Amino acid sequence: DTGVSQDPRHKITKRGQNVTFRCDPISEHNRLYWYRQTLGQGPEFLTYFQNEAQLEKSRLLSDRFSAERPKGSFSTLEIQRTEQGDSAMYLCASSLGSGGMNMETQYFGPGTRLLVL
Amino acid sequence: QKEVEQNSGPLSVPEGAIASLNCTYSDRVSQSFFWYRQYSGKSPELIMSIYSNGDKEDGRFTAQLNKASQYVSLLIRDSQPSDSATYLCAVIWDYGGATNKLIFGTGTLLAVQP
Repeated sequence: DTGVSQDPRHKITKRGQNVTFRCDPISEHNRLYWYRQTLGQGPEFLTYFQNEAQLEKSRLLSDRFSAERPKGSFSTLEIQRTEQGDSAMYLCASSLGSGGMNMETQYFGPGTRLLVL
Repeated sequence: QKEVEQNSGPLSVPEGAIASLNCTYSDRVSQSFFWYRQYSGKSPELIMSIYSNGDKEDGRFTAQLNKASQYVSLLIRDSQPSDSATYLCAVIWDYGGATNKLIFGTGTLLAVQP
């Protein structure tokens, strides 16, 4: 399978614990996005990487959230001191973009469903 | 005002009929538009992209864009029960930023009745 992969697919944790999610983009895709989706809503943008550089973070991404993309390949999203409001589907998407094009197609991974008890 | 708006539905159509899904958006420059399909519990899957005014057809799907009226629609011909899903409209704005983040609507739930 050459699509976007995410791990784990499901995570149940207790409030206050730290969790880390991993995303492996489509090979050679230089752009990687994280989104969060809650029930009944569309995905909301969290952060964006072009290669290894994190170029934008949403105001939704509080100080408890951190994301990395070392070497411009896979990415991790860590949530520290989880809260019940963090319960959501965390989606990763990747694309192949160049310059300022806004016609790129983003392909989504299967998502990580987080439940904070 | 939300930037991308969709009727949440459900939109119920009989099998074989045409399903029409609509999306309106705030006035911005140089938009790109996308329709994603999302089955319950799954991630979004790209159906169509459209960048210019007019129609774009791909199999049973036709996307229509009217920038003057600020709407984009998706027509599904010969609807099948397997088309039952939530359809998400998404837009990329050209706001001069570094990212081409997608701005999504809340989605329209389509139910195709056998």
